[in-house]
Amino acid sequence: EVQLLESGGGLVQPGGSLRLSCAASGFTFSSYAMSWVRQAPGKGLQWVSSITASGRATFYADSVKGRFTISRDNSKNTLYLQMNSLRAEDTAVYYCAKNPSSGSYEFADYWGQGTLATVSS
Amino acid sequence: EIVLTQSPGTLSLSPGERATLSCRASQSVSSSYLAWYQQKPGQAPRLLIYAASSRATGIPDRFSGSGSGTDFTLTIIRLEPEDFAVYYCQHYGSSAPMLTFGGGTKVEIK
Repeated sequence: EVQLLESGGGLVQPGGSLRLSCAASGFTFSSYAMSWVRQAPGKGLQWVSSITASGRATFYADSVKGRFTISRDNSKNTLYLQMNSLRAEDTAVYYCAKNPSSGSYEFADYWGQGTLATVSS
Repeated sequence: EIVLTQSPGTLSLSPGERATLSCRASQSVSSSYLAWYQQKPGQAPRLLIYAASSRATGIPDRFSGSGSGTDFTLTIIRLEPEDFAVYYCQHYGSSAPMLTFGGGTKVEIK
């Protein structure tokens, strides 16, 4: 059974940093691209970032480019999202999601339960 | 950038009725890159349909997707109590933003 378990959310002041983690199990983690998708309170879904299976290529939404860094450790079956220079508008539940193959991102077939990041003074 | 517009915003129906949800793209898109998700309160989204009409693993056959070009439809025949939720369409693009979501349609109990 595919399982994705996010952690690392919390309350941080504007300008601060958070590092989100996503522990994966139930599939060969190193064979699949992965993504982060966020959802602001009461709002819709917004893609944040994706990474290839190898970790060699990364992609970002314009709203987070230069501030967020996606990475992965295939030896630990873990996906990360380093979030710096956080703004109030980054407040959201952040979901870790599995993509259908190593280098394709057409959809997200499995999602974690999400971790809430709140940016507020 | 492609914009996905979902309608209606809210659909009020009774169990056993048929639900028809619309997703319109601002320009023609490949049906290979159109997906639908279901999200219940407090839960993560769940993939229902990919490539416009292919059901994801474990999805009941009362859910079906159709469409091409700019107009796509998610149909739920015979609504079950567990189907009342918010539904999102999503498009994949080869350049950022890689995944674009529609604003969602809430299917509520009438």
